[in-house]
Amino acid sequence: DGGITQSPKYLFRKEGQNVTLSCEQNLNHDAMYWYRQDPGQGLRLIYYSQIVNDFQKGDIAEGYSVSREKKESFPLTVTSAQKNPTAFYLCASSIGAGSLYEQYFGPGTRLTVT
Amino acid sequence: AQTVTQSQPEMSVQEAETVTLSCTYDTSESDYYLFWYKQPPSRQMILVIRQEAYKQQNATENRFSVNFQKAAKSFSLKISDSQLGDAAMYFCAYPPDNAGNMLTFGGGTRLMVKP
Repeated sequence: DGGITQSPKYLFRKEGQNVTLSCEQNLNHDAMYWYRQDPGQGLRLIYYSQIVNDFQKGDIAEGYSVSREKKESFPLTVTSAQKNPTAFYLCASSIGAGSLYEQYFGPGTRLTVT
Repeated sequence: AQTVTQSQPEMSVQEAETVTLSCTYDTSESDYYLFWYKQPPSRQMILVIRQEAYKQQNATENRFSVNFQKAAKSFSLKISDSQLGDAAMYFCAYPPDNAGNMLTFGGGTRLMVKP
């Protein structure tokens, strides 16, 4: 079945460590996105990628980095520079980039940093 | 910054009744899509319904329909015959101006369904 996978579902790290969240899609979508969701709040865009080897900062990119070396993969690294990294992270993809296209979401990764 | 506002943090509805969730937004775009997403306790985001701004007819998907008022920049979601499985967070999403056509999400409305 086609879809988006994120692993792991729960991730625990010590403060000061970088951590990479995985996102893979087999929908053959060109665009991929990373969102952050804090308790009781909506989604905020971290980074997005419209095509392989290209990505753009979203509203809250500071302390995060991404790569897009393959069409199906868009990993997110939460660096030690991110001041408050504990959150729920959602990856999404769409056929094309832009608001005209429905975004399909993965199941999310809950990151806890202590 | 352009914003989308969901003014109801929580709503409650009796099973089988109808409920309307509100959403207002601010954009100067003329042609765009608007979306309602559902996030159940599993936290998987699921598209509920999509509205094309240039279409005057309100979108409908089974028990879900929208009331789209373009001039008022209002995009409410009506859920008819509410079911226990409708209990979730609901987010509306729209494209703000000059944002590379990316979506911005509202803060969400938590819908509770009473048996």
